[in-house]
Amino acid sequence: AQSVAQPEDQVNVAEGNPLTVKCTYSVSGNPYLFWYVQYPNRGLQFLLKYITGDNLVKGSYGFEAEFNKSQTSFHLKKPSALVSDSALYFCAVVNNAGNMLTFGGGTRLMVKP
Amino acid sequence: KAGVTQTPRYLIKTRGQQVTLSCSPISGHRSVSWYQQTPGQGLQFLFEYFSETQRNKGNFPGRFSGRQFSNSRSEMNVSTLELGDSALYLCASSNRDSSPPFFGPGTRLTVL
Repeated sequence: AQSVAQPEDQVNVAEGNPLTVKCTYSVSGNPYLFWYVQYPNRGLQFLLKYITGDNLVKGSYGFEAEFNKSQTSFHLKKPSALVSDSALYFCAVVNNAGNMLTFGGGTRLMVKP
Repeated sequence: KAGVTQTPRYLIKTRGQQVTLSCSPISGHRSVSWYQQTPGQGLQFLFEYFSETQRNKGNFPGRFSGRQFSNSRSEMNVSTLELGDSALYLCASSNRDSSPPFFGPGTRLTVL
């Protein structure tokens, strides 16, 4: 069985400061990892993915994520947060058996001016 | 390309009724998945269809069912609605395995 943990329900950061949203995973086989963002009353918007290759993955809107196999982590990062980044962020994993995503519980990011 | 579309966007039903939700995937995408999002349980996988066949199924009761048509459009049906079925139902489409699924805006179902 596969699982994802997002240990922080909420992350608060000041605008202009770097942000990190944490994610750890458990999956048999090679993990395919994704980050999605959800704004109020909207669906999920794809940010970035890790399939294979470089451990640092760059995605949309200046976000990046670092894959660490030994720590089974896939933390989302951004060098300089914007107020408009405030939203709900989900980490997800899928094994190499289709498109069934297992999501973490989500982390609410609050960026204050 | 147009994104994933879901209809209706909002729905209010009463206990015991049934409901059908519709999803049109991105053109060319053959995989359609459904997810339920609630404040208490988060995002949970319902089922996935690929080329009209159910390929994966989540841990939901048989009241939840779905199907996919030859044009890849998909429907999900919930029978004998319960209050706990109130949720945002999200549809996602993908063009191949390991590609990130793209999500629609969701259907907000309220059961009274």
